[in-house]
Amino acid sequence: GAVVSQHPSWVICKSGTSVKIECRSLDFQATTMFWYRQFPKQSLMLMATSNEGSKATYEQGVEKDKFLINHASLTLSTLTVTSAHPEDSSFYICSARGQGWTEAFFGQGTRLTVV
Amino acid sequence: DQQVKQNSPSLSVQEGRISILNCDYTNSMFDYFLWYKKYPAEGPTFLISISSIKDKNEDGRFTVFLNKSAKHLSLHIVPSQPGDSAVYFCAASAQTGANNLFFGTGTRLTVIP
Repeated sequence: GAVVSQHPSWVICKSGTSVKIECRSLDFQATTMFWYRQFPKQSLMLMATSNEGSKATYEQGVEKDKFLINHASLTLSTLTVTSAHPEDSSFYICSARGQGWTEAFFGQGTRLTVV
Repeated sequence: DQQVKQNSPSLSVQEGRISILNCDYTNSMFDYFLWYKKYPAEGPTFLISISSIKDKNEDGRFTVFLNKSAKHLSLHIVPSQPGDSAVYFCAASAQTGANNLFFGTGTRLTVIP
């Protein structure tokens, strides 16, 4: 399968600071990337969808000013958690899909802990 | 509102036996279903999928069955191996390749050697 790399795999930050998470497709061009969030013992919840070169589409209830998504190239999307608070602590996962693909491939996830 | 449900949070199976993971959904518009496998601190890995025009799809040791009338799908793993121990998520979408995949809460499978 296609390879999606997410970095960092874990990060601890202080409350009020911003954290950037990168999602890269290593061996294909990702026309669409997705960002998910998973709370303990809960399912993956889609936060937003980004298409290369255009603004991300956010799911209902997700603050676009807090979770900034940039998909500037066909191989890179970033999620920036701005002014992070302890309640933002979670497992964030990206996935990427090539043009016309039916399946998306996931990154390894990022464990964010805000202290 | 959880549109995709996996009612068994955990399952233990002896090595060599069959593992059956179940998934129920409520949205009749769902027409594409996927199973993912997830190890701790890693992203999900795609396993197998099925579209609503089929009732069975097989790939090696993995078979997915879909019962549209019951809004139920299941993943069969046979024979089960210790390396299959992971959390399994089922997911559904209302359109093949659609953006919004609805995930279940996962079932932790433990295969006992």
